[in-house]
Amino acid sequence: DTAVSQTPKYLVTQMGNDKSIKCEQNLGHDTMYWYKQDSKKFLKIMFSYNNKELIINETVPNRFSPKSPDKAHLNLHINSLELGDSAVYFCASSQGSTGRGTDTQYFGPGTRLTVL
Amino acid sequence: DAKTTQPNSMESNEEEPVHLPCNHSTISGTDYIHWYRQLPSQGPEYVIHGLTSNVNNRMASLAIAEDRKSSTLILHRATLRDAAVYYCILRGAYNNNDMRFGAGTRLTVKP
Repeated sequence: DTAVSQTPKYLVTQMGNDKSIKCEQNLGHDTMYWYKQDSKKFLKIMFSYNNKELIINETVPNRFSPKSPDKAHLNLHINSLELGDSAVYFCASSQGSTGRGTDTQYFGPGTRLTVL
Repeated sequence: DAKTTQPNSMESNEEEPVHLPCNHSTISGTDYIHWYRQLPSQGPEYVIHGLTSNVNNRMASLAIAEDRKSSTLILHRATLRDAAVYYCILRGAYNNNDMRFGAGTRLTVKP
């Protein structure tokens, strides 16, 4: 079983559309994250949720809205997609409750979003 | 957050050891040193972490300088599958779990 899974793997859409990316973890972790990796390959954290509560919200346009229906899921909804949103989006999870300096994150396979 | 500095790229021959350096001169006393790697077209994966002492696991070894201002990830026998971008990341013991990735080191393994 895949520990952290994301769907879809690829997403091609037109500018202005609204789309969602789903993430599920079966590790029993308390904390989930969304990262964005742009064309220059820099990985940046976008959001972090702990037990369904938003912990980190980096400087991300409010067109991006994470939704956590339960501890095992953290979905990313994007409104009014723009060309600059094209990137690979990674979901991750971690136990979160251990000593934070030792907390290990487990990443999903990524969703490649292409906005035309 | 304390910053890390890594070479942009390194090359290695298959089945030879690889030493990937990381400088973190502004590390604080409570910062852990983590290493992750990202294989092509995959998400990052955890490799190893340490605080002060050298660490070994099935994937790699982590050698930490006595002053903790630098560390080295050691792959004892590089395989083609080890070709990846390796990230050295500092994580504070009291931070909020976020990880700040730098540019990392792209390791090429030659057969």
